[in-house]
Amino acid sequence: AQTVTQSQPEMSVQEAETVTLSCTYDTSESNYYLFWYKQPPSRQMILVIRQEAYKQQNATENRFSVNFQKAAKSFSLKISDSQLGDTAMYFCAFTRGATNKLIFGTGTLLAVQP
Amino acid sequence: GAVVSQHPSRVICKSGTSVKIECRSLDFQATTMFWYRQFPKQSLMLMATSNEGSKATYEQGVEKDKFLINHASLTLSTLTVTSAHPEDSSFYICSAYERRETQYFGPGTRLLVL
Repeated sequence: AQTVTQSQPEMSVQEAETVTLSCTYDTSESNYYLFWYKQPPSRQMILVIRQEAYKQQNATENRFSVNFQKAAKSFSLKISDSQLGDTAMYFCAFTRGATNKLIFGTGTLLAVQP
Repeated sequence: GAVVSQHPSRVICKSGTSVKIECRSLDFQATTMFWYRQFPKQSLMLMATSNEGSKATYEQGVEKDKFLINHASLTLSTLTVTSAHPEDSSFYICSAYERRETQYFGPGTRLLVL
């Protein structure tokens, strides 16, 4: 079965601090892509960061970076210098083979406190 | 770039009527679009895959005659909820598949069936 597990339903962080959201996945595919999407209260799904599984180098996008451990099938998201606008539901996902379908985790609700 | 629009953003209709939701990729061509349904505080549930010029592929348990999908051009897919009932009330989100294995999402449509 191809699944994504986000073990932290809710997290809280103080403004300007760093927080890490965890994600593990299971797939038999050899080549796949991993994503973090955020969904703020507006409910618009926004791409945060993507990682190509065949690349060993961890992806970074400004304050957002990932720790990709392929052997462990782990894909955590680190948010540095947290801002109030980072408050959102964060979904980890990966594409499923040639169909390009996304498999989503259950999400982590992140609250950034002032 | 990679902007996806969705219209309408909110719709209220009477039970038994049909509702059409449009999904457009504004600055790229999308041969594949996806339709999701999201219940409050839950993850996205894939309903169907929409391919330009061919019939949509529905996920198991999704009624094809209830949720009609048409992908008439490379920038437009429509979802029609036929004979809507209160249990069809939900948040519907579309996404468009862009290059590099990435889906970009529309802002969603809130459907309320009275």
